[in-house]
Amino acid sequence: DAKTTQPPSMDCAEGRAANLPCNHSTISGNEYVYWYRQIHSQGPQYIIHGLKNNETNEMASLIITEDRKSSTLILPHATLRDTAVYYCIVSPSGNTGKLIFGQGTTLQVKP
Amino acid sequence: DAGVIQSPRHEVTEMGQEVTLRCKPISGHNSLFWYRQTMMRGLELLIYFNNNVPIDDSGMPEDRFSAKMPNASFSTLKIQPSEPRDSAVYFCASSSQGFNYGYTFGSGTRLTVV
Repeated sequence: DAKTTQPPSMDCAEGRAANLPCNHSTISGNEYVYWYRQIHSQGPQYIIHGLKNNETNEMASLIITEDRKSSTLILPHATLRDTAVYYCIVSPSGNTGKLIFGQGTTLQVKP
Repeated sequence: DAGVIQSPRHEVTEMGQEVTLRCKPISGHNSLFWYRQTMMRGLELLIYFNNNVPIDDSGMPEDRFSAKMPNASFSTLKIQPSEPRDSAVYFCASSSQGFNYGYTFGSGTRLTVV
């Protein structure tokens, strides 16, 4: 399985954009980039995923570099409720491949 | 939709006892996953099913652990006998091929073995 590298922790001011980086230099052509987050004591929550193109939904934007070796998750206006552990995962296409979680990035949004 | 439903939310049991965790996936989802989370090891995939068939159980730690999915709406994870090192939060998740909203996780079962 391809592996990802994320910084262990980041801070962000409330109302500002949070940019969470992820390196996945060994990603294969058929592997998607997935982002999940886990708020304390809750189950992980799906945020967004993409293959090549940049993606945006109501929660976040996903920017994938042209060589697909890295990506950035952008929370455009972080709130205190966005404080969580954010996981970047690569996995084969489709939702029935298994997701292997790493250690993630702990994002602390501060007032 | 009520989402993925897990029961019980909390379980405290004595070492050596049998423990059964339950999961009801989202209706229409055909894949189901069991994860375990501890501070030391993070989130670990234990086993997953496609169309009620176990596909990969390589993450099941020992023969003491077993999982079943008798039908599309129910799965169990059983530990027999339980040990203190099994204490963790156990999550169930479900997904549907072609459904672009990823996996949906349940709220988890916090297991404490004393």
